[in-house]
Amino acid sequence: DAKTTQPPSMDCAEGRAANLPCNHSTISGNEYVYWYRQIHSQGPQYIIHGLKNNETNEMASLIITEDRKSSTLILPHATLRDTAVYYCIVRVDNYGQNFVFGPGTRLSVLP
Amino acid sequence: AAGVIQSPRHLIKEKRETATLKCYPIPRHDTVYWYQQGPGQDPQFLISFYEKMQSDKGSIPDRFSAQQFSDYHSELNMSSLELGDSALYFCASSLSRGLSPLHFGNGTRLTVT
Repeated sequence: DAKTTQPPSMDCAEGRAANLPCNHSTISGNEYVYWYRQIHSQGPQYIIHGLKNNETNEMASLIITEDRKSSTLILPHATLRDTAVYYCIVRVDNYGQNFVFGPGTRLSVLP
Repeated sequence: AAGVIQSPRHLIKEKRETATLKCYPIPRHDTVYWYQQGPGQDPQFLISFYEKMQSDKGSIPDRFSAQQFSDYHSELNMSSLELGDSALYFCASSLSRGLSPLHFGNGTRLTVT
């Protein structure tokens, strides 16, 4: 699976949009981009995933560049509860194949 | 909606003892994954099962074994426990078909003393 690069930490003001970047310059054509987050000591939580089109759900939006070498997770109105470690993972969609976590971005939402 | 259930939530064992962790996947999910997360570390993949067969293997020690049963629940068996085995153990499940992401349980915190 392709390696990803994320900034180790970011701050965001409460109520503002949080834009979390991820670089995956060696991504292959059949690899998807997944985003998970982990709030302190809880199980990782699935947020969103996509292949090449932008995606949106009730939690976030995922913007993937046209060349697919990078993506951005957008939390439109960050709250204090969004403080967590966010993981960008690139993976072929095969059953049983694992997700590789780390290192991720520690997002701190500030009041 | 039903989630992944793990038991027990907390477990305290002594060195050289054995431990068994259980995972009940989301109904109709046929794939189960186990992860280990040490203090201050990212989750590390241990092993996964699809339709009761091992499908992928990560950094699982030889002292550990796991299996998936006919009802799709899974158990992680750990023997000759060491202090370094103290960690959070997460189980996740997914559907093999379609673009199904992994859904994680809230983990079992194992403390080895």
